[in-house]
Amino acid sequence: KAGVTQTPRYLIKTRGQQVTLSCSPISGHRSVSWYQQTPGQGLQFLFEYFSETQRNKGNFPGRFSGRQFSNSRSEMNVSTLELGDSALYLCASSLLGQTNEKLFFGSGTQLSVL
Amino acid sequence: QKEVEQDPGPLSVPEGAIVSLNCTYSNSAFQYFMWYRQYSRKGPELLMYTYSSGNKEDGRFTAQVDKSSKYISLFIRDSQPSDSATYLCAMLYSGGYQKVTFGTGTKLQVIP
Repeated sequence: KAGVTQTPRYLIKTRGQQVTLSCSPISGHRSVSWYQQTPGQGLQFLFEYFSETQRNKGNFPGRFSGRQFSNSRSEMNVSTLELGDSALYLCASSLLGQTNEKLFFGSGTQLSVL
Repeated sequence: QKEVEQDPGPLSVPEGAIVSLNCTYSNSAFQYFMWYRQYSRKGPELLMYTYSSGNKEDGRFTAQVDKSSKYISLFIRDSQPSDSATYLCAMLYSGGYQKVTFGTGTKLQVIP
């Protein structure tokens, strides 16, 4: 079974631009969540989607948004990029997003904002 | 103050040593406790998942939870160079779906 796939692996953008990251969950998984990882703050929860609906949201500004498609694939968008948005963005999937389920992570998209 | 505190290390030990990794947390609403391992340029991988206070063992790994002290630990016996990675503690509220709160991670190096 293929794991969680994130594209692209690396991305370089300049301040003020916008970016879209993509995540394909494990086949059959319907819950997709996104995390931002930085050296100082560690992993921080962005949002979680289940059946195309955002079910949970972390404490990030509205510039961070996401969506999920009917095939469970998900995209994350960051508008008006700031230097502080430079981070590893990780996507994770699970069957139904319940607390007792194992979360599977992708290898992430490394975003650098110049 | 962060909800979950974890010593960032780095921690350097000789091969075969027993490794102890720890986290403290402030919110007693956390009910589920996990340890993830993250290799360089990879996503985190779940190692251990516990719900109640006490010990849980899986091979060379033992997870320990003390809810009264808000303290969790991961012990690695007979450490191997392949254990060199960053170890993240993580916690969940009951009914919080998978909005996981992570520690910042401890970088471990096992020297052959």
